[in-house]
Amino acid sequence: SQELEQSPQSLIVQEGKNLTINCTSSKTLYGLYWYKQKYGEGLIFLMMLQKGGEEKSHEKITAKLDEKKQQSSLHITASQPSHAGIYLCGADNNAGNNRKLIWGLGTSLAVNP
Amino acid sequence: DGGITQSPKYLFRKEGQNVTLSCEQNLNHDAMYWYRQDPGQGLRLIYYSQIVNDFQKGDIAEGYSVSREKKESFPLTVTSAQKNPTAFYLCASSIRQGDFYEQYFGPGTRLTVT
Repeated sequence: SQELEQSPQSLIVQEGKNLTINCTSSKTLYGLYWYKQKYGEGLIFLMMLQKGGEEKSHEKITAKLDEKKQQSSLHITASQPSHAGIYLCGADNNAGNNRKLIWGLGTSLAVNP
Repeated sequence: DGGITQSPKYLFRKEGQNVTLSCEQNLNHDAMYWYRQDPGQGLRLIYYSQIVNDFQKGDIAEGYSVSREKKESFPLTVTSAQKNPTAFYLCASSIRQGDFYEQYFGPGTRLTVT
């Protein structure tokens, strides 16, 4: 079965610094989703990637899917306290009648002012 | 504003009682989902429904039940058979975007059973 590994598990950065979070799949990714979650709240959809080499941006957050479609990276430029939260990646398992999202465990980000 | 509502945000129950968590959406989405989130375990799918009057078990359906009588509503009942019911429960609905389904989440309900 497909598994997603996120790294790092947690990250503390100074405001204004850039950072990268990775999501690595045990199988070729059919579709990869990035979400953000504030503690105790629901998930906010950021973006979805499907093609190898694809790159999308949402405000100061950029996500890319590598050419081999087994890893996605999420990059935040000039981080702000509002970027703090948990970032989760989810992969579409493309499994016919049992189609669902497989989830990583998340990366917890803290941004110090 | 369109969105997904879950109520209540916090719920407390005694062990042995059934409890029903509400999930309503006005996004006109066909599919709806229930997830459970525990520290260190990520999101786990409990049940999902792709159409009214139909639903399927997810990965951890034991001890839970659902109904889908209306497109807008997908309530989850946590029964006394669920051994570890204390958790954060998230409801989602999805819209098809080409070959893919984008899931949108409600704010969650934190259930504590003592």
